[in-house]
Amino acid sequence: AQKVTQAQTEISVVEKEDVTLDCVYETRDTTYYLFWYKQPPSGELVFLIRRNSFDEQNEISGRYSWNFQKSTSSFNFTITASQVVDSAVYFCAIIAGVGGSQGNLIFGKGTKLSVKP
Amino acid sequence: DGGITQSPKYLFRKEGQNVTLSCEQNLNHDAMYWYRQDPGQGLRLIYYSQIVNDFQKGDIAEGYSVSREKKESFPLTVTSAQKNPTAFYLCASIPGQGDYGYTFGSGTRLTVV
Repeated sequence: AQKVTQAQTEISVVEKEDVTLDCVYETRDTTYYLFWYKQPPSGELVFLIRRNSFDEQNEISGRYSWNFQKSTSSFNFTITASQVVDSAVYFCAIIAGVGGSQGNLIFGKGTKLSVKP
Repeated sequence: DGGITQSPKYLFRKEGQNVTLSCEQNLNHDAMYWYRQDPGQGLRLIYYSQIVNDFQKGDIAEGYSVSREKKESFPLTVTSAQKNPTAFYLCASIPGQGDYGYTFGSGTRLTVV
């Protein structure tokens, strides 16, 4: 079975601080996809990144960066120079049954990030 | 623009009533999903459908029912058998197997009064 653990329930930082959101996953599959989503107070899920299990290269997109390490089953997300608009709940997720028949996303419980001015 | 439309945005239900949440997509996606979100929890899968006229139970299907009579529509009915239906419900879709570019709707917040 697949599982995603986001140990940090809530994080509070002051604007311009860097912050890292942790994500640890469990799967027996060798092929899988990992995701990060942002959920602002309005409720919709905003896609941030998708990474497949064969691509361990770190990714940087503006102030966002992702560190994927298969050795520790982690897919951590860092926001550099945080801004108030980054305040949201962030979810890490994994695809279950890649190559099978499901394609269902398994979510962690989320980390609520509050960025104070 | 293509996307997923969920309606209504807010829904109030009296205990013992069935209610239906609408999910419509114009993306021509094959697979559609319903997730439930409770405060402080991640999203949990209720039902999913990979093709028309076929659907499968997810992790928390008890008290819910769905139909997939048309490719673009995947309504979710919350029945009176669902003991704690107050939650935020999200609908999602993907083009098909192997293409996991999920699109999510904006959600329906259901409250039992």
